[in-house]
Amino acid sequence: ETGVTQTPRHLVMGMTNKKSLKCEQHLGHNAMYWYKQSAKKPLELMFVYNFKEQTENNSVPSRFSPECPNSSHLFLHLHTLQPEDSALYLCASSQVLLTGSENGYTFGSGTRLTVV
Amino acid sequence: QQQVKQSPQSLIVQKGGISIINCAYENTAFDYFPWYQQFPGKGPALLIAIRPDVSEKKEGRFTISFNKSAKQFSLHIMDSQPGDSATYFCAWSGGSNYKLTFGKGTLLTVNP
Repeated sequence: ETGVTQTPRHLVMGMTNKKSLKCEQHLGHNAMYWYKQSAKKPLELMFVYNFKEQTENNSVPSRFSPECPNSSHLFLHLHTLQPEDSALYLCASSQVLLTGSENGYTFGSGTRLTVV
Repeated sequence: QQQVKQSPQSLIVQKGGISIINCAYENTAFDYFPWYQQFPGKGPALLIAIRPDVSEKKEGRFTISFNKSAKQFSLHIMDSQPGDSATYFCAWSGGSNYKLTFGKGTLLTVNP
C-alpha cells in the first residue's frame, strides 16, 4: 500500500445507478486530487482540493460530484454515467508547501470503473 | 494552460539497452520535475525527481538530466530490464506549491 487507499478496486455499474468512490490518505497531506485515466490516454485531472476547499474543476460533467469532508478523505459520487466514463479513477494526495514546491504526489491504486 | 510535452509516446528497447524519455516545459518558471512509473493495474509511483539547481541526478540505473536553457528534462534508464516495462510520466510543478502538471506518458517495453 502506498498510504493512499481507494475503494472499491473494481466497480461495475449501470447507467442509472448511483455509486461512490472513496479515497483515504494517512500521510498528513492537505491536498487531494481525482484523476481519470482511460485506456491509452494520459492522466486527466478532474478535481483538486486544497485544505478541503475545491480549487479546481476541469470542466467535469455534473454526473461526477466530488466531496472532501476533511483533509484525509475524498469521495467521488457518480450518477447517470455513460459507457465512455469507463476508466481507471485515481486519487492522489500531496503536501501543500509554504515555500518552494518540491512536492511529490502519492497515488492510490485506483478504482477500475465499468459502466454498462 | 501550462503543459509538459513528453516524447516518445512509446518506446521499445532491448534488454541491456538505454531507454531515453524526454519532456519539455513551456514557460520560464522551473521548480520541481518528478518522474512517475506506472505498472498495469496500479497507480503511478514516484520514481525519481530533480530540482533545477542541479543538472543531473542519478539513482541506481535511473538518471534525470535537466537542461535549463532548452527547457527540457530527460529520464535515462541504463541497462534496461524487462521489469522496467511500464508507463512513465514526467511532471512539473510549474510554480505551484501543491499541484503537478503531467506529461502524456511513454509506454516502455523492454524485450528480453
